[in-house]
Amino acid sequence: GEDVEQSLFLSVREGDSSVINCTYTDSSSTYLYWYKQEPGAGLQLLTYIFSNMDMKQDQRLTVLLNKKDKHLSLRIADTQTGDSAIYFCAEGFGSSYKLIFGSGTRLLVRP
Amino acid sequence: SQTIHQWPATLVQPVGSPLSLECTVEGTSNPNLYWYRQAAGRGLQLLFYSVGIGQISSEVPQNLSASRPQDRQFILSSKKLLLSDSGFYLCAWTSDLRLAGLYNEQFFGPGTRLTVL
Repeated sequence: GEDVEQSLFLSVREGDSSVINCTYTDSSSTYLYWYKQEPGAGLQLLTYIFSNMDMKQDQRLTVLLNKKDKHLSLRIADTQTGDSAIYFCAEGFGSSYKLIFGSGTRLLVRP
Repeated sequence: SQTIHQWPATLVQPVGSPLSLECTVEGTSNPNLYWYRQAAGRGLQLLFYSVGIGQISSEVPQNLSASRPQDRQFILSSKKLLLSDSGFYLCAWTSDLRLAGLYNEQFFGPGTRLTVL
C-alpha cells in the first residue's frame, strides 16, 4: 500500500544545513513534493521533483531522490530562523486525484 | 490568479452540536477539492475529495460528511460533533487532472481550527 514516513523532529543551529528525510513505499509515483507549514497556517509548496530525476536545486533548497531506496530528502542550506516550520513530503500519482502525505517533520532553528 | 478561502478561521463548539465549514475557490473552474484534518502535532489525514459537483469520495469512516453544491464550493458538515473531531481542517484544490497531466500540486487554504469542548 501507500505509505510515506518522516522523522518527527529536527533541530539545527542558524546558518547550518538542514536535511529532512522521507521514505515511501509505492515506487509508481510521478512527482514528489515538499510542502512547508508555518504555525497556524495552511501548507505551501516549496519544491517538487519529477520521479525520473535524481536531483533538483532551487536556491537554498536541494532535493535528492533515490528511487532504488525509495528515499527523498530536502536539504536547506544556510538555515534561517524563518525556516522553522513543519515540512511535509508527498507522493503524487498520475492516475490518482490524491497526494499521499508524510506525517511531517518539525524543524526548529536555534539562533 | 487563484485564491482559496476557508471560514470560519476558528470555531469552538460543544460536543453534540452541528458543524458546517465552508471552502470556496476563486479564479479556476472544475477544480478537484479536498478536505484534510490535522490533529495536534500530527500529519494530514485526507477526509474527502471531490472531482465535480455532487461527487464526493470518502476516505475514512467518521461522523463527518461533505457536499459540493457548486463547482467551487466545498462544505464539511457534522450533525453531532465528538471530542475527537477537534483539529485543524484544511481545504485544498488542484487542477482537473485531465488538463494538468501528471503534475497535481495541491493548493491549500488557510485552515479552520476547530475545538470541541
